[in-house]
Amino acid sequence: SAVISQKPSRDICQRGTSLTIQCQVDSQVTMMFWYRQQPGQSLTLIATANQGSEATYESGFVIDKFPISRPNLTFSTLTVSNMSPEDSSIYLCSVGPPMTNEQFFGPGTRLTVL
Amino acid sequence: AQSVTQLDSQVPVFEEAPVELRCNYSSSVSVYLFWYVQYPNQGLQLLLKYLSGSTLVKGINGFEAEFNKSQTSFHLRKPSVHISDTAEYFCAVSELYNFNKFYFGSGTKLNVKP
Repeated sequence: SAVISQKPSRDICQRGTSLTIQCQVDSQVTMMFWYRQQPGQSLTLIATANQGSEATYESGFVIDKFPISRPNLTFSTLTVSNMSPEDSSIYLCSVGPPMTNEQFFGPGTRLTVL
Repeated sequence: AQSVTQLDSQVPVFEEAPVELRCNYSSSVSVYLFWYVQYPNQGLQLLLKYLSGSTLVKGINGFEAEFNKSQTSFHLRKPSVHISDTAEYFCAVSELYNFNKFYFGSGTKLNVKP
């Protein structure tokens, strides 16, 4: 299994500002994933973060809006840039440790943009 | 591409009654199937998963699910629910050969009443 922590747990931000969300895992993993859960909706994969390379973004998500860092095998950050109220969501990171055939999710960061 | 449909957005049920949460999927390739639970203000927790073998899968907290390939369904069941089962439940699939990419359904809110 994997234990994942995220900071902050929640934040309220002003339009036009940026917020960086941190994700820490208790074991080394090759890939980390960032999801968005908009109010009343399901989870949507934003990007896959590999250590030592650029993140891979899903359709509809771009690096300028959601820059990701992956400095080592246990840590990643997601920045939500130039925020608007439409960015109000829960942002979750997840990992899929090898040989587990499942994804482990962090507790999420609840973002509200005013 | 994969898609997951959860037919019921909300399911109210009385305590100790049985419950079934429905999930259908569409995929052009073989998939793994999962059910996750999200308690209020918490992250996602794996309930159970189907990878191969017996089509009846038992998970935590007394939940079970049955994989029906012909109907492309993976319905979640519990014979007797408790108040503590009140949560949102997500069905998800991942591809056998692209395991780390998950597709989630829109979620079903289970509301157990006393």
